[in-house]
Amino acid sequence: DAGVIQSPRHEVTEMGQEVTLRCKPISGHNSLFWYRQTMMRGLELLIYFNNNVPIDDSGMPEDRFSAKMPNASFSTLKIQPSEPRDSAVYFCASSFEAGLAEETQYFGPGTRLLVL
Amino acid sequence: KNQVEQSPQSLIILEGKNCTLQCNYTVSPFSNLRWYKQDTGRGPVSLTIMTFSENTKSNGRYTATLDADTKQSSLHITASQLSDSASYICVVSAGTYKYIFGTGTRLKVLA
Repeated sequence: DAGVIQSPRHEVTEMGQEVTLRCKPISGHNSLFWYRQTMMRGLELLIYFNNNVPIDDSGMPEDRFSAKMPNASFSTLKIQPSEPRDSAVYFCASSFEAGLAEETQYFGPGTRLLVL
Repeated sequence: KNQVEQSPQSLIILEGKNCTLQCNYTVSPFSNLRWYKQDTGRGPVSLTIMTFSENTKSNGRYTATLDADTKQSSLHITASQLSDSASYICVVSAGTYKYIFGTGTRLKVLA
């Protein structure tokens, strides 16, 4: 398996523009997570899907952020409009049966976003 | 407030030496504690997962300990290698789907 796939790997955009980050989880996994990582705040869980349904989006910073999972093999995280403070590395992770004590999350390589 | 604190923030050691990273947490309820290794420019990779009843878990040269009474965990690296240079992140799960992350310890192993 190729692991969790994210695209693009790098994104540079101007403030106010729409940004869409994409993720393909590991085949067979039924849980998908979106994280944001910055130097100041470390890793933060933004939203979590189970069987394509959003379970907990309490980590989404504000209404400018939205995430979808139309099917088991694809998810998007959208920021509209983007702001400089959104600059961070965004990770997607997937697992089988999240919530179990022993479940392991597999992270993608991340998308490095810079908003000018 | 649920918190995970890691120490030291950064650490430099010579190749072949051992080191221990610390993680203190105030998380309730406690479900499990994980240690991740994150290489520069890559996503985190799981090293160990421990539940309340486990106090030691090993993964090769990595050994994690958990003291649920004092709410402390440590990650011990034996005979360090250059490839151990990375950030190590402690994550505590406060029940289903609730993850509290430490800010990590940056380890640099020198030849």
